[in-house]
Amino acid sequence: QQPVQSPQAVILREGEDAVINCSSSKALYSVHWYRQKHGEAPVFLMILLKGGEQKGHEKISASFNEKKQQSSLYLTASQLSYSGTYFCGTEISPQAAGNKLTFGGGTRVLVKP
Amino acid sequence: KAGVTQTPRYLIKTRGQQVTLSCSPISGHRSVSWYQQTPGQGLQFLFEYFSETQRNKGNFPGRFSGRQFSNSRSEMNVSTLELGDSALYLCASNSRGSNTGELFFGEGSRLTVL
Repeated sequence: QQPVQSPQAVILREGEDAVINCSSSKALYSVHWYRQKHGEAPVFLMILLKGGEQKGHEKISASFNEKKQQSSLYLTASQLSYSGTYFCGTEISPQAAGNKLTFGGGTRVLVKP
Repeated sequence: KAGVTQTPRYLIKTRGQQVTLSCSPISGHRSVSWYQQTPGQGLQFLFEYFSETQRNKGNFPGRFSGRQFSNSRSEMNVSTLELGDSALYLCASNSRGSNTGELFFGEGSRLTVL
């Protein structure tokens, strides 16, 4: 089942912060975050494994709450380059063989000067 | 290091036709997965190949098929095209043999079915 992302869209001024949530109805093994700019390929940001680990990429960080089966992506002091659509991708089990992600519907982020 | 290359980038077909899309992964990557991206459904997993074997398959009808060659290049085929097949088809390669690591996506093949 597809994870649910919220909000669907957010508009920020440069320097502002935002949080994007990704929730699943199933127990998750890992959550992956990607960003896709208009007309470009999705680009990997980070992976969070079961365990509540928090990671960072530039001033973008994320957390994974196992109890809630929810991951949150934090955009801190946003820059114009942060504009794009953010997708979370989930795995429900550590698959011994295979690469397969179930992606959320995406969150469109627009950072204005 | 060259990225993931997909061809063709754009194509237009009519209902009932078939189409073949090609993907060349990053050198050394043996896993290739395919995703369909549409405004309404987002990114949906089609299938994944590793060392010429299909390891995972998404919930798509049998009209969608794929294969992988010994050099890890992959093709996907859609037969008897329907209007709803209009989408951006993304290919992604991965260097890991198990568990999903970082996926490197190509820029996609945009298919329009008329």
